[in-house]
Amino acid sequence: DAGITQSPRYKITETGRQVTLMCHQTWSHSYMFWYRQDLGHGLRLIYYSAAADITDKGEVPDGYVVSRSKTENFPLTLESATRSQTSVYFCASSESPGGLETQYFGPGTRLLVL
Amino acid sequence: SQQGEEDPQALSIQEGENATMNCSYKTSINNLQWYRQNSGRGLVHLILIRSNEREKHSGRLRVTLDTSKKSSSLLITASRAADTASYFCATVTYNNNDMRFGAGTRLTVKP
Repeated sequence: DAGITQSPRYKITETGRQVTLMCHQTWSHSYMFWYRQDLGHGLRLIYYSAAADITDKGEVPDGYVVSRSKTENFPLTLESATRSQTSVYFCASSESPGGLETQYFGPGTRLLVL
Repeated sequence: SQQGEEDPQALSIQEGENATMNCSYKTSINNLQWYRQNSGRGLVHLILIRSNEREKHSGRLRVTLDTSKKSSSLLITASRAADTASYFCATVTYNNNDMRFGAGTRLTVKP
């Protein structure tokens, strides 16, 4: 149905493994974002994208890779997962850059790295 | 780094009471937004207030912004058990368009 979805919703992996988190939106929003949420830190921006094939780093990009070949998809890859990447990951989309307008959030992916 | 800081970190009230949460920030902003997060869910946008606005309303929500004090408050009137959630403020500065979130206020409304 319409909206923004994330998959998987829960993931357990081991240190050193590659993990890809998927994000899909049906609004054709130009801008998409990846955040991580850790206790005591609120949400921190990992990467964002202004359009297909245009991505840029956020506040905490190290250890993550993104791509955006299609407007509706914005996957986030942990190339070699570390325990410090255990977190809840949220994808968001917006019609405008950054926080100039409302961002719409997906339900999140809870990732545990053992 | 965090831009907005919410106060208090946790708030517990009875149904029907008003709840006030505050957000302070450090640098000049383009706008400030409030989001709600129910347990285990994503964030839901509540209100966006721009730097040239002082107050906005949406249903039982009232947001104020005082740019001279670099602070904002979110008031929820006549609270309900369904308002139980975490509330986050997010600030957007003029030179960076990305949003910076605070750590949130955890609101519990007891029936």
